[in-house]
Amino acid sequence: AQSVTQLDSQVPVFEEAPVELRCNYSSSVSVYLFWYVQYPNQGLQLLLKYLSGSTLVKGINGFEAEFNKSQTSFHLRKPSVHISDTAEYFCAVKATNAGKSTFGDGTTLTVKP
Amino acid sequence: DGGITQSPKYLFRKEGQNVTLSCEQNLNHDAMYWYRQDPGQGLRLIYYSQIVNDFQKGDIAEGYSVSREKKESFPLTVTSAQKNPTAFYLCASEQGMAGNTIYFGEGSWLTVV
Repeated sequence: AQSVTQLDSQVPVFEEAPVELRCNYSSSVSVYLFWYVQYPNQGLQLLLKYLSGSTLVKGINGFEAEFNKSQTSFHLRKPSVHISDTAEYFCAVKATNAGKSTFGDGTTLTVKP
Repeated sequence: DGGITQSPKYLFRKEGQNVTLSCEQNLNHDAMYWYRQDPGQGLRLIYYSQIVNDFQKGDIAEGYSVSREKKESFPLTVTSAQKNPTAFYLCASEQGMAGNTIYFGEGSWLTVV
């Protein structure tokens, strides 16, 4: 079984500032890792994913995340945020040998002008 | 365009009534899921299906029922046994349980009046 902990429920930040949304996971087997974004009243859409290879993963909208196996973390970063980045962000984990994805509780990113 | 269509977007239910939420996908995905999302909270898995005519309970299946008679369709019935059904419901699909990206519909709001 896997579990995901998103360490911050809310992250307020000013426009053009950098941001990091933190995600830790627990699993006894190898995993895939994901970040999804949810805009108000919509479904989730994939931002980026780590399957294998380079631990630095680049996604859409200028976001990137780094897989750290020793710290079991997959933190999401963006060097300069925009108002339009205001949304809910979900970290998810899935065993590589198939199975259901497990989602974190989400982090609300609010970008202020 | 390929995707997942949920309907209706907004639904009101009187106490004691059953309601059915529709979910259709044209992505040719084998696996389909139903999640419940309460305001400010994460996703909780209600039911999932890996293949036609087969489905399994998720973490909060009580008071819900599903069917999977066709590959593209996975309707969710919220029964009168569900004591607190007001929530945002998300349908999702994946190529297979060994797949590595979940695709979500736009969601359905259910309110009990």
